[in-house]
Amino acid sequence: AQSVAQPEDQVNVAEGNPLTVKCTYSVSGNPYLFWYVQYPNRGLQFLLKYITGDNLVKGSYGFEAEFNKSQTSFHLKKPSALVSDSALYFCAVSQNSGGYQKVTFGTGTKLQVIP
Amino acid sequence: DVKVTQSSRYLVKRTGEKVFLECVQDMDHENMFWYRQDPGLGLRLIYFSYDVKMKEKGDIPEGYSVSREKKERFSLILESASTNQTSMYLCASNPSSGRVNEQFFGPGTRLTVL
Repeated sequence: AQSVAQPEDQVNVAEGNPLTVKCTYSVSGNPYLFWYVQYPNRGLQFLLKYITGDNLVKGSYGFEAEFNKSQTSFHLKKPSALVSDSALYFCAVSQNSGGYQKVTFGTGTKLQVIP
Repeated sequence: DVKVTQSSRYLVKRTGEKVFLECVQDMDHENMFWYRQDPGLGLRLIYFSYDVKMKEKGDIPEGYSVSREKKERFSLILESASTNQTSMYLCASNPSSGRVNEQFFGPGTRLTVL
């Protein structure tokens, strides 16, 4: 069985400071990892994904994530937070299950960027 | 751009009513999904479909059914709505090529069952 954990329900960061949203995962094989963002009253939007290769993945809106196999983590980062980054962030993990990639989502982390 | 639309943003129904949630995607994706989103629980998969007329149960299918008569449309049906089905419902789609594909989400339907 696969699972993903987001240990923080909420992260507060001052505007202009670096931000990190944490994610750890558990899968039996090679993981495929995703980050999505959800703005209020909207659906989820894809930010970035890790499939293979370089452990540092760059995505939309200046976000990046670092894949760490030994720590089974995939933390989302941004060097300088904006107030507009305030949203709900979901980490997700998948692996092939026949022809279908079963995806498991975390419980979400609310990011609050304080002006 | 991929566009996934859902028939209603907000819906209020009464206990015991039959409820239809419709989802349409315009990018010819093979896979379509229905999730419910609840605070503290994240997204949980209700059903998915990998082709027309094909469906598979997700993690929480009880109380729900689905229909996929056309490739672009995936419907979620609550046969007899109950108050514990009050939730945000999200539809998503993605292609089934060999690549690892992200999912494209609709805006969601917030359903309240009274």
